[in-house]
Amino acid sequence: EIVLTQSPGTLSLSPGERATLSCRASQPVNSNWFAWYQHKRGQAPRLLIHGVSTRATGIPDRFSGSGSGTDFTLTISRLEPEDFAVYFCQQYGSSPLAFGGGTKVEL
Amino acid sequence: EVQLVQSGGGLVQPGGSLTLSCAASGFAFSDSNMNWLRQTPGRGLEWISYISYDSGTIFYADSVKGRFAISRNNGKKSLSLQMNDLRDDDSAVYYCVRDKALGPETYWFFDLWGRGTLVTVSS
Repeated sequence: EIVLTQSPGTLSLSPGERATLSCRASQPVNSNWFAWYQHKRGQAPRLLIHGVSTRATGIPDRFSGSGSGTDFTLTISRLEPEDFAVYFCQQYGSSPLAFGGGTKVEL
Repeated sequence: EVQLVQSGGGLVQPGGSLTLSCAASGFAFSDSNMNWLRQTPGRGLEWISYISYDSGTIFYADSVKGRFAISRNNGKKSLSLQMNDLRDDDSAVYYCVRDKALGPETYWFFDLWGRGTLVTVSS
């Protein structure tokens, strides 16, 4: 069973800054089946990235995903006010599905 | 608007039952494979059940197998989760979630989520 550990737990940044979020898997993720989501309080979570680096429909290009094996990164190149939220990762290459505990990007 | 609107949830005693519902709109629900996930502060996000677009394939996590039942009504564009014999550790926010793939394929990542509904199991 794969365990996903996200770091840092909280990232305090300002609009316009770059955000780098990490997700580390306890075992290699099969076929790089890896996704990132954004969750704002009171809203439905939103798919950002799948297949490590493919942006979901409508996701702006300031969001990018990278990584392989056990180490994955979500980068927000320039934070917009609407980007302050919780971000969580997911591996879907093996059963059971696993989700990270989340990184909160705060102002 | 493409959305999943959840209802149900609330406070229930241990051993009790509850039904969660999810109404889909704005997309081809009958082609969509659906899931229920839940989230707690301690255990994080957990996948608990899947139903294929045609109800032909159903899966459950071991933690809920034999107690929970997923179902869907494509004509009414609705998804349900019947939860029986509820335990304290079933307390969570439950999410209705759509798989990215359509029809016979399943990708196991999720491109549409409901806002979640809180279930509290307590005496």
